[in-house]
Amino acid sequence: GEDVEQSLFLSVREGDSSVINCTYTDSSSTYLYWYKQEPGAGLQLLTYIFSNMDMKQDQRLTVLLNKKDKHLSLRIADTQTGDSAIYFCAVIGGQGGSYIPTFGRGTSLIVHP
Amino acid sequence: DVKVTQSSRYLVKRTGEKVFLECVQDMDHENMFWYRQDPGLGLRLIYFSYDVKMKEKGDIPEGYSVSREKKERFSLILESASTNQTSMYLCASSASYEQYFGPGTRLTVT
Repeated sequence: GEDVEQSLFLSVREGDSSVINCTYTDSSSTYLYWYKQEPGAGLQLLTYIFSNMDMKQDQRLTVLLNKKDKHLSLRIADTQTGDSAIYFCAVIGGQGGSYIPTFGRGTSLIVHP
Repeated sequence: DVKVTQSSRYLVKRTGEKVFLECVQDMDHENMFWYRQDPGLGLRLIYFSYDVKMKEKGDIPEGYSVSREKKERFSLILESASTNQTSMYLCASSASYEQYFGPGTRLTVT
């Protein structure tokens, strides 16, 4: 089945850019998502990209998709302390057209002053 | 806005008790899901349902059951709670590919 990998931790200084990376194994994946989870809360859909796109920008967020390398990244510009959270990559729509996403284990983003 | 609510934010139960976790969504979504989240393990799918009275096992169904009598409500049942079921439980719903999550229930079994 699909496998989605993320590094577990990322530490950045306030005001810098953060880049969170994700790799996946199923090249037929159709939809790729980023979710944010703040402490003690559920997951909030941040942004998504379709597999026929290379890039999507939404205010401070930029999603890049490299289908050849099966690599997805989320860049947060001007990172703030309120961006401290766990970020999950999720991939869906691979072989068989399943609507059940495969999640990575999440990257804890720590933003320090 | 899609709203997914869960009956409790925090729950403490004793070993052997029967535990009910309730989830309600207000967007007429066909699909509903139950996950558990543990540190370092990410989200693991317990059960899901794609229609009323339908249910499918996820990756870790042992020790759990589910009920979906109405489209908007999906219940997770721990038949006999054990300490290894102490976890954060997340409910989600979807119409197709985007999942919307509830705030989670942190369950402690003592």
